[in-house]
Amino acid sequence: SQQGEEDPQALSIQEGENATMNCSYKTSINNLQWYRQNSGRGLVHLILIRSNEREKHSGRLRVTLDTSKKSSSLLITASRAADTASYFCATANTGFQKLVFGTGTRLLVSP
Amino acid sequence: NAGVTQTPKFRVLKTGQSMTLLCAQDMNHEYMYWYRQDPGMGLRLIHYSVGEGTTAKGEVPDGYNVSRLKKQNFLLGLESAAPSQTSVYFCASSYLFVGRGSGELFFGEGSRLTVL
Repeated sequence: SQQGEEDPQALSIQEGENATMNCSYKTSINNLQWYRQNSGRGLVHLILIRSNEREKHSGRLRVTLDTSKKSSSLLITASRAADTASYFCATANTGFQKLVFGTGTRLLVSP
Repeated sequence: NAGVTQTPKFRVLKTGQSMTLLCAQDMNHEYMYWYRQDPGMGLRLIHYSVGEGTTAKGEVPDGYNVSRLKKQNFLLGLESAAPSQTSVYFCASSYLFVGRGSGELFFGEGSRLTVL
């Protein structure tokens, strides 16, 4: 069963705008990760946030984590056409040696 | 440094045929995983390995077998392919146990399998 659920399923914006996608999960986690997948390619790790962290930045990416609400958000600032991809959250449950992925958000950034 | 390499990239099978997908990583990672990706379903874990000579079942293991005879290789086998196994298969590896603070996955480019 899927652990993470992303929202929205699809997002269409213009270059320069910010993109926000959300992830909700069901059980206690050790960490939450975000991945990007370009069409026809493998997934690429973007950022990891631990359960005791609330916010993390990496370049134009900002991730927040609210463990009380079991939710996370990924913000991409000043989007570019090259950011067009699917974005997945993945959760690592304490004690399990695997990541469980959500169904993803498809982001389209138009020039 | 190739990272994670999957072969073949594309394959068409008839129902009942068998095949093996090969995953090779050159990062000396202990942990390796096979996922399948289907539209609207995200990625689902088929089998994984925590080291050479070990394998374990994931969420959707039925119809698949795996072997990890060498640390750098993780093989996924379909003994009798079914149309329901039409999917994109991804291999991944990690240096650390992903449940720990900084375990991240490195993915291959995928193997697209069609079963007629």
